[in-house]
Amino acid sequence: GQSLEQPSEVTAVEGAIVQINCTYQTSGFYGLSWYQQHDGGAPTFLSYNGLDGLEETGRFSSFLSRSDSYGYLLLQELQMKDSASYFCAVIQQAGTALIFGKGTTLSVSS
Amino acid sequence: GAVVSQHPSWVICKSGTSVKIECRSLDFQATTMFWYRQFPKQSLMLMATSNEGSKATYEQGVEKDKFLINHASLTLSTLTVTSAHPEDSSFYICSARGPENEKLFFGSGTQLSVL
Repeated sequence: GQSLEQPSEVTAVEGAIVQINCTYQTSGFYGLSWYQQHDGGAPTFLSYNGLDGLEETGRFSSFLSRSDSYGYLLLQELQMKDSASYFCAVIQQAGTALIFGKGTTLSVSS
Repeated sequence: GAVVSQHPSWVICKSGTSVKIECRSLDFQATTMFWYRQFPKQSLMLMATSNEGSKATYEQGVEKDKFLINHASLTLSTLTVTSAHPEDSSFYICSARGPENEKLFFGSGTQLSVL
């Protein structure tokens, strides 16, 4: 079977740094993506890792270790607007759909 | 970035009726679109892969006769929920792969409520 595991909830305060981990077991692996979803909204793309290492995009960074079937999303300088659900998602083959994890609800307080 | 437009945003219908949801790629051509369903506080579950000019590929457990998918052009895919029942009430989201192969762009979603 296929599984993507990530914590269900994370809480933090404004200005803090949060890391959301994702471990995966899939029949194929092409790359790992991260998406943000606010309540009632559509998922928006945050980051993609096709190769091992760190990808940085502003306050958000994502890391992948293919040998460990593991990745994480790092959110820095947290803001209230970062309160949302964050999903890791695997692309098993180029051009195919994303398989999503169950999501992590991040709550940022002042 | 690429834009995917989805309509309607929400729909309320009576049990037994059919509902059509449209998904358009506005500034790029999408030979493949994907349809997901999401229940409250849960993950996005892939329902089917929609291929322009050919039959859709459905995930295991998704009834192809109930969820009709048509991808008649490079910019439009439709999902029709036929004979809807209350258990079909959910958030339906379409997506398309943009010019950068690894990114999926999502429509704004359709909240379906079946009474």
